[in-house]
This record gives sequence, structure tokens and C-alpha cells, in this order.
Amino acid sequence: EPEVTQTPSHQVTQMGQEVILRCVPISNHLYFYWYRQILGQKVEFLVSFYNNEISEKSEIFDDQFSVERPDGSNFTLKIRSTKLEDSAMYFCASSDPGTPGEETQYFGPGTRLLVL
Amino acid sequence: AQKITQTQPGMFVQEKEAVTLDCTYDTSDPSYGLFWYKQPSSGEMIFLIYQGSYDQQNATEGRYSLNFQKARKSANLVISASQLGDSAMYFCAMRELNTGGFKTIFGAGTRLFVKA
Repeated sequence: EPEVTQTPSHQVTQMGQEVILRCVPISNHLYFYWYRQILGQKVEFLVSFYNNEISEKSEIFDDQFSVERPDGSNFTLKIRSTKLEDSAMYFCASSDPGTPGEETQYFGPGTRLLVL
Repeated sequence: AQKITQTQPGMFVQEKEAVTLDCTYDTSDPSYGLFWYKQPSSGEMIFLIYQGSYDQQNATEGRYSLNFQKARKSANLVISASQLGDSAMYFCAMRELNTGGFKTIFGAGTRLFVKA
């Protein structure tokens, strides 16, 4: 069964460093998303991406964040200058909402980011 | 206002018994999708079941069923014949298909413990 994959599974970084989180969405999906989950808290939407541009972003997704689809398979989230409060699990998701009934967003296994 | 409310922070169930996890939602969008995800201790988000707002019948997927009561705005998850591997965090979630953009909104989750 097709699935979303994410690398790395864990990332430890120093405050102020840049990190890039990588995702490979399900191959026939057209919409891509990033969410984050701070330890013990809700899953929060960050950004959605379609047709090579951001379609929606939350207030969390400030200028420190950027997303890119550098090729036909990868989808990346970059945090330019990490802060302690960026420590969280980051989930990539993808969907194919063009198919009736297929509104589901399928999530990857997550990248656990720890900023020291 | 909370869009998704899960009032049970934790639930216990005996192995092989059924359990209901509560979820209420709030939306004025007539077209929406409701989802349940499972998050085991390893952290990944596993899609379980989907219910569309216009679906006439309650969704079922194996041992999972969604008790959809539209007038009450509730979408409870029923797990039949609980197994030890069902111990996890369970999130109810919603997408508002006309007004909500692309994001999925999550509840705070219910942690389920299955006892042997």
C-alpha cells in the first residue's frame, strides 16, 4: 500500500541552525501538507501546497519557514533559524481531494525535531 | 471556539470488549469530512476511518465504526473487540470543505488503554 515517507526520523540541532525536513508524498497525490505536534499537544496545521505554490498557511508558518518541491517526488520543509519552541514532531501529509470521498490526508511517520 | 472537542483525556477498556471514544464538532459549513487517526507510542499518525457530512450511512472499517449523529454534531469512534495493540492516542479531526481551506483540524485526543 502506498505511503508517505519522511526523513530523518529524528533530528537534533542547535538553536539558530537551519534544518530541512524531507517528505516523499504518495505518488499520485497532488496536495501536500506540513503539520506539527508539540509534545503532549494537538496536531497543528502549518501549510498546504498545490501546483508548486502555497495554497494556505497558518499563523505559525512565519518567515522562518519555507516549503519546496524540488523535484517530482520530494517535498521539503525548511526552518531557517531554529528556536527552542520549534521542537516538535513534524508530519508531512498528502491527499488527492479531486476524487469524491477521498478527502483524507495521509500522514507520514513524522520527524521528531529537538532544538537545543 | 473549539472546532473539535474530545472530552475524554483517557479511557480504559478490557481486552475483547467494545469502547466508544467521543467526539463533537462545530461547523457552519454544510460540507465537511470527519476523520479518526490513531497515534501509537511510536508517534506516527494512522488514518482509521472517514465520514462525509452527506453520507447517509455510518462509516465502518473492520473493527472501527463511526457513530455519526449529524443533528447532535457528534462523530464517536466505536472500536469493537479491543486488542492490546489498540492502546494508543486517538484523534478526531475535521475538514471543512467549503470554508476551511485545506487544513485538517484536530481535537486534543483520547488516550486509550486496553487491559489484558
